[in-house]
Amino acid sequence: GESVGLHLPTLSVQEGDNSIINCAYSNSASDYFIWYKQESGKGPQFIIDIRSNMDKRQGQRVTVLLNKTVKHLSLQIAATQPGDSAVYFCAENIRGTGRRALTFGSGTRLQVQP
Amino acid sequence: GAVVSQHPSWVICKSGTSVKIECRSLDFQATTMFWYRQFPKQSLMLMATSNEGSKATYEQGVEKDKFLINHASLTLSTLTVTSAHPEDSSFYICSASGTAQENIQFFGPGTRLTVL
Repeated sequence: GESVGLHLPTLSVQEGDNSIINCAYSNSASDYFIWYKQESGKGPQFIIDIRSNMDKRQGQRVTVLLNKTVKHLSLQIAATQPGDSAVYFCAENIRGTGRRALTFGSGTRLQVQP
Repeated sequence: GAVVSQHPSWVICKSGTSVKIECRSLDFQATTMFWYRQFPKQSLMLMATSNEGSKATYEQGVEKDKFLINHASLTLSTLTVTSAHPEDSSFYICSASGTAQENIQFFGPGTRLTVL
């Protein structure tokens, strides 16, 4: 079936460096994407979202890029901090179908080395 | 804003008993609530979607008689794991979405269920 998946299961970066977490999706009808951060033993926390009519959106220290041609999106974290260590999930949805459920990718663990 | 709570945060029960987990949206009206299950080091698996005042829609493979969901108000949904067995041990997470940002789901902190 169609799914959302991730290229890298674990990403290790040095504190202060920029992090890039990638996500590939296979459903060409997907038109809305969200990045979530999940710390150990906690529920996912909303980071940033993007609609398919955009190719870039920026938040505080985070940027999401969407490439619809290759069905790929990425989450960039600037000046990565130890508190950014967590598992990051991308999720997708098809708006207008009446189905509001999100499909989650398999997750990437970000480890920030001090 | 957009805070979702869950209670209890963890529960240990004996095999054969039923466990109820509550999910509340604290500062917004949740027209739709979702229940997920997550095993260690795995992604979230959607169990069911519930709209206030109507029956929940269960994902394929999820037993509706095993996992009872009630969404009685715009701020409360409950998941009852009936006749729990050790294989039901998992991390259960709810999320809620309102009308203002209808596609964003805000997640609760999760409930760790351990069935002995």
